[in-house]
Amino acid sequence: GQSLEQPSEVTAVEGAIVQINCTYQTSGFYGLSWYQQHDGGAPTFLSYNGLDGLEETGRFSSFLSRSDSYGYLLLQELQMKDSASYFCAVRSAMKTSYDKVIFGPGTSLSVIP
Amino acid sequence: DSGVTQTPKHLITATGQRVTLRCSPRSGDLSVYWYQQSLDQGLQFLIQYYNGEERAKGNILERFSAQQFPDLHSELNLSSLELGDSALYFCASTRDTNTGELFFGEGSRLTVL
Repeated sequence: GQSLEQPSEVTAVEGAIVQINCTYQTSGFYGLSWYQQHDGGAPTFLSYNGLDGLEETGRFSSFLSRSDSYGYLLLQELQMKDSASYFCAVRSAMKTSYDKVIFGPGTSLSVIP
Repeated sequence: DSGVTQTPKHLITATGQRVTLRCSPRSGDLSVYWYQQSLDQGLQFLIQYYNGEERAKGNILERFSAQQFPDLHSELNLSSLELGDSALYFCASTRDTNTGELFFGEGSRLTVL
């Protein structure tokens, strides 16, 4: 099966940098994605890592180490509007089935003034 | 607006009843995913369809079923409803599984009384 772990809650100060970690266990790993979800809203895609290394998109960066089954999302210059839940998601496929996207439990980020 | 449409947005029903949730994917997207999100919980993968065919199954109860029609819209049927089925049900679509980017609808909030 698949399992993902993330911290349940993180608090950071406006303007600061925060890192949200994700570790995973899965077979047939293809890539790691990150999504943001505000209360009651739809998850929105932030980034994807199919290969090891760092991907940067504006204030958000995401890192993947496949050998360590580990990734993180880095948020810089935090703004109050960044307060939301952040989910890592693994895309994987077994030989006998097509790929699926499994989400982690989510990290609730609170940005304080 | 992700381009994914889900109806109804809200639904209140009683235990033992049956409901159908509908999803229209983004234009051109062949893959549809269904997820369940209970209060303050993560996104539980239910089932995935690609161009009308079931591709992957997650923790979907036997009381639940889904299908994708020739016009690519999908329906999730929930029967013999229980209190614990109260949740947000999200549909997501994608055409590019290489990036794992899913586009989510706004969800259908089901309340079982």
